[in-house]
Amino acid sequence: DTEVTQTPKHLVMGMTNKKSLKCEQHMGHRAMYWYKQKAKKPPELMFVYSYEKLSINESVPSRFSPECPNSSLLNLHLHALQPEDSALYLCASSQVLREDQPQHFGDGTRLSIL
Amino acid sequence: TQLLEQSPQFLSIQEGENLTVYCNSSSVFSSLQWYRQEPGEGPVLLVTVVTGGEVKKLKRLTFQFGDARKDSSLHITAAQPGDTGLYLCATHPEAGGSYIPTFGRGTSLIVHP
Repeated sequence: DTEVTQTPKHLVMGMTNKKSLKCEQHMGHRAMYWYKQKAKKPPELMFVYSYEKLSINESVPSRFSPECPNSSLLNLHLHALQPEDSALYLCASSQVLREDQPQHFGDGTRLSIL
Repeated sequence: TQLLEQSPQFLSIQEGENLTVYCNSSSVFSSLQWYRQEPGEGPVLLVTVVTGGEVKKLKRLTFQFGDARKDSSLHITAAQPGDTGLYLCATHPEAGGSYIPTFGRGTSLIVHP
């Protein structure tokens, strides 16, 4: 069992759909992350929130829209995705955004774009 | 250019063999993490190394941080099928006043019974 919970576990959507991925942690962590991961590749950083403010956006297309409603929740809103966006989307958290802080990952949402 | 050069990229071995995975960089880090990711799951932290020359053991896994804090290695003794997974080294270098989580390319390990 992981301490970072992601829902849904699987999502299939068409290119015109709008959906959201959700992530929740109750460890009191103040840094939260979204990653995209393709098979047998390392996670690619998308966004980082620090104290509920967007700290890092790694030039992600605007069809991905992050939101951090409070210190425990992180959402990723999806709209007009492309087939190449099919991947595992991982959420992670750490105590704070600092060099020595390890991340705690959820088990991801497996996203398929039709 | 990858900040963290991880090798080998793929490794397929028989149960009982030993192996070493390397994570190298030209930069100095204050700390480095190793994660293992099993199929269908997120990465799980194995260890954080912070002191140059440090050696940490986790059962059959031995982690080393280079004296200059530019490189690290993971050695597995007598590998078992349960060790199968993607091994990732990671760090958070400072960039533009923030810390950017950065991963190596990963080592995909398969241990055959």
